[in-house]
Amino acid sequence: GAVVSQHPSWVICKSGTSVKIECRSLDFQATTMFWYRQFPKQSLMLMATSNEGSKATYEQGVEKDKFLINHASLTLSTLTVTSAHPEDSSFYICSARTTGNIYFGEGSWLTVV
Amino acid sequence: LAKTTQPISMDSYEGQEVNITCSHNNIATNDYITWYQQFPSQGPRFIIQGYKTKVTNEVASLFIPADRKSSTLSLPRVSLSDTAVYYCLVVTSGTYKYIFGTGTRLKVLA
Repeated sequence: GAVVSQHPSWVICKSGTSVKIECRSLDFQATTMFWYRQFPKQSLMLMATSNEGSKATYEQGVEKDKFLINHASLTLSTLTVTSAHPEDSSFYICSARTTGNIYFGEGSWLTVV
Repeated sequence: LAKTTQPISMDSYEGQEVNITCSHNNIATNDYITWYQQFPSQGPRFIIQGYKTKVTNEVASLFIPADRKSSTLSLPRVSLSDTAVYYCLVVTSGTYKYIFGTGTRLKVLA
């Protein structure tokens, strides 16, 4: 089946630095990708919708200047957490849309120290 | 977007059938029901999807009554490896903006 890969699987960064997480659709083209954040023992929270070649659409309450999303190609979307702080530590998950289906990535753990 | 309500947690024993019910009272005509499974530190995995009546695949069955205001995911003969969180989602046809509810944390006991 279709595969969505995230990289890195886990990352530790220092407070105040920026970190980039990649989401790739490996065997299909995804015009739309979605980014979620999940805190331990909580549900997934949709952060933004990433459209290839256009600006991302952010959900209410998500700071677009802090969570930069770039969808430069049909197989790659990136989420950059800028000026990361410990409260940004979370599990970040992407999903990619193909015709009639959505596929989720394996997730990326971010720990800000 | 139709809101879903499902039990927070359930316990079961190996070999039993597990039924998880989800309420979606304001489901619309263009909406369909999708269930996902999530293991710790992994992305959600698709289980089953349906619009009405009954759908069955190799891992589960989905029962949807005529009014479609609820749905029941049935897992036959669960094993320890079925311990996970199960999410019920109502998705509008043609959109792919999945909104996750609280999910049901299923624990399968030996």
